[in-house]
Amino acid sequence: GDSVTQMEGPVTLSEEAFLTINCTYTATGYPSLFWYVQYPGEGLQLLLKATKADDKGSNKGFEATYRKETTSFHLEKGSVQVSDSAVYFCALSTDKLIFGTGTRLQVFP
Amino acid sequence: GAGVSQSPSNKVTEKGKDVELRCDPISGHTALYWYRQRLGQGLEFLIYFQGNSAPDKSGLPSDRFSAERTGESVSTLTIQRTQQEDSAVYLCASSLEPGTSGIGTQYFGPGTRLTVL
Repeated sequence: GDSVTQMEGPVTLSEEAFLTINCTYTATGYPSLFWYVQYPGEGLQLLLKATKADDKGSNKGFEATYRKETTSFHLEKGSVQVSDSAVYFCALSTDKLIFGTGTRLQVFP
Repeated sequence: GAGVSQSPSNKVTEKGKDVELRCDPISGHTALYWYRQRLGQGLEFLIYFQGNSAPDKSGLPSDRFSAERTGESVSTLTIQRTQQEDSAVYLCASSLEPGTSGIGTQYFGPGTRLTVL
């Protein structure tokens, strides 16, 4: 069945470091791909999305490119901030959303 | 605001009791989803309602779990004879009717934290 695999955390970085959180997927159709973020004590919220191959989603300095050839949707940010500390979930959709297990990011000053 | 709301925010219950969790989706959203998030784990799909279609119940873990939705509005998730392993955060999400690229962007409620003693 359809599935999402993302790197295990926690990912620990210093402020202004470069971030990559890997995400790969398995799907029989042509899914849309999403990154959701859950800040401490808050609900899950959409960070960015891409609906077809080669699309790039971007928001708040984060980017992810839908790579059909490698079935990947890696999340990147050039310079992280302490306020980016959160849990990040990769997800795909066909008829419903399927989530990865989440990656905790901890950014220290 | 006009986001997804859930109640109660916290529920503590004794093993064996029944609980009802409520979700009010964003007005106009035809699709509604329930997920479970156990401590330190990802989101586990439970059930999906889309308009007047039969719900997708493929994620419900046992027959103790059921959910209803009134038209395109409020939904309740019922857990009968709760067990300690049911302890988790139960999240509800809603979205507009899916387009040709699949389901629409889901908007999540704050969740109900259920603790079964």
